[in-house]
Amino acid sequence: DGGITQSPKYLFRKEGQNVTLSCEQNLNHDAMYWYRQDPGQGLRLIYYSQIVNDFQKGDIAEGYSVSREKKESFPLTVTSAQKNPTAFYLCASSYATGDTPLHFGNGTRLTVT
Amino acid sequence: GENVEQHPSTLSVQEGDSAVIKCTYSDSASNYFPWYKQELGKRPQLIIDIRSNVGEKKDQRIAVTLNKTAKHFSLHITETQPEDSAVYFCAASSGGSSNTGKLIFGQGTTLQVKP
Repeated sequence: DGGITQSPKYLFRKEGQNVTLSCEQNLNHDAMYWYRQDPGQGLRLIYYSQIVNDFQKGDIAEGYSVSREKKESFPLTVTSAQKNPTAFYLCASSYATGDTPLHFGNGTRLTVT
Repeated sequence: GENVEQHPSTLSVQEGDSAVIKCTYSDSASNYFPWYKQELGKRPQLIIDIRSNVGEKKDQRIAVTLNKTAKHFSLHITETQPEDSAVYFCAASSGGSSNTGKLIFGQGTTLQVKP
């Protein structure tokens, strides 16, 4: 609901496996973002994309990769290089970057054991 | 680098009292300051925002004030109700010459309103 769909809601993986989190939006927004949320640390930016076929690293990009082949889609891959992947991942989109409101998806809780 | 500090980390008030959450930012080029409310297990949702050309903005029981000189902004909730209990995040846009287009978030404040 809300125009941004994240799937799945819960995801379990074994250590050493790559995993891809899905994010789709039908709001016709140009900008999309991935945030990681850990208790007591707020929302930390992993990657963001201002336009199709372009994306930039955020503050904690190491161990993650993204693609932006379509305006509607911005999947996030958590690679085996990410040292502590267990977290709540939020995807967001906005009409433009910087000074327009973010619309968040419902999040994916990833547990890696 | 760019940073947003948010205080307090937890806040407990009695129903009907007011609650105030404060944030400071480091980037003097920031010009957009949103506040998000996140209920347990749900996504953050925008509750109010303010731009740098405005000093105060109100929406029913919620208000935000901005002091650009001191680089701080605050969220004020009056007549609190139990359904106001949630985690609140402030954010500031990153500016500067690169105009990176990011929002920098504070660490969050857990507000508990006791009936």
